[in-house]
Amino acid sequence: GNSVTQMEGPVTLSEEAFLTINCTYTATGYPSLFWYVQYPGEGLQLLLKATKADDKGSNKGFEATYRKETTSFHLEKGSVQVSDSAVYFCALSEGGNQGGKLIFGQGTELSVKP
Amino acid sequence: DTGVSQNPRHKITKRGQNVTFRCDPISEHNRLYWYRQTLGQGPEFLTYFQNEAQLEKSRLLSDRFSAERPKGSFSTLEIQRTEQGDSAMYLCASRSSGSSYNEQFFGPGTRLTVL
Repeated sequence: GNSVTQMEGPVTLSEEAFLTINCTYTATGYPSLFWYVQYPGEGLQLLLKATKADDKGSNKGFEATYRKETTSFHLEKGSVQVSDSAVYFCALSEGGNQGGKLIFGQGTELSVKP
Repeated sequence: DTGVSQNPRHKITKRGQNVTFRCDPISEHNRLYWYRQTLGQGPEFLTYFQNEAQLEKSRLLSDRFSAERPKGSFSTLEIQRTEQGDSAMYLCASRSSGSSYNEQFFGPGTRLTVL
């Protein structure tokens, strides 16, 4: 079945460091791909999305490119801030007539130190 | 629009008791999803509705679990004879079936603790 695998955390970085969180997926067809973020004590928020190969999603300085050839959707940010500390989830959406449920990775906790 | 809301936010119950959670989706969204999230894991799909019809249920949804969306608006998730393994965060999400991106909007969740 479809699945998502993320790099394990926690990831600890200093402020202004470069961030990469790896995400790879297994899917039939052409799923949409998402990054969701969960700040401490809050619900899941959509961070960015991409719906087809080579699409780049971006938001709040974060970027991720839908790479069909490597089945990857890695999250990057050039300069992280303390306020980026959160848990990040990669997810895919089964499309077509499959109802669109989301399949999530296990999450990667990011901690940014001043 | 205030987004997806869930009640209660926290529920503590004793093993064997029944509990019911409510989800109010974004008003124009006709698809509603339930997920379960345990500590350190990503959310796992439980079930979803299109309007009032329940179209898919995960194998995770045992016979003790039942979900309804009687008028195609709010939804309830009931767990009968709760077990300690049911302790988790229960998340609700909604979307419009017309959305080309399948962008789902999540509520804050209901945290269930079974003692």
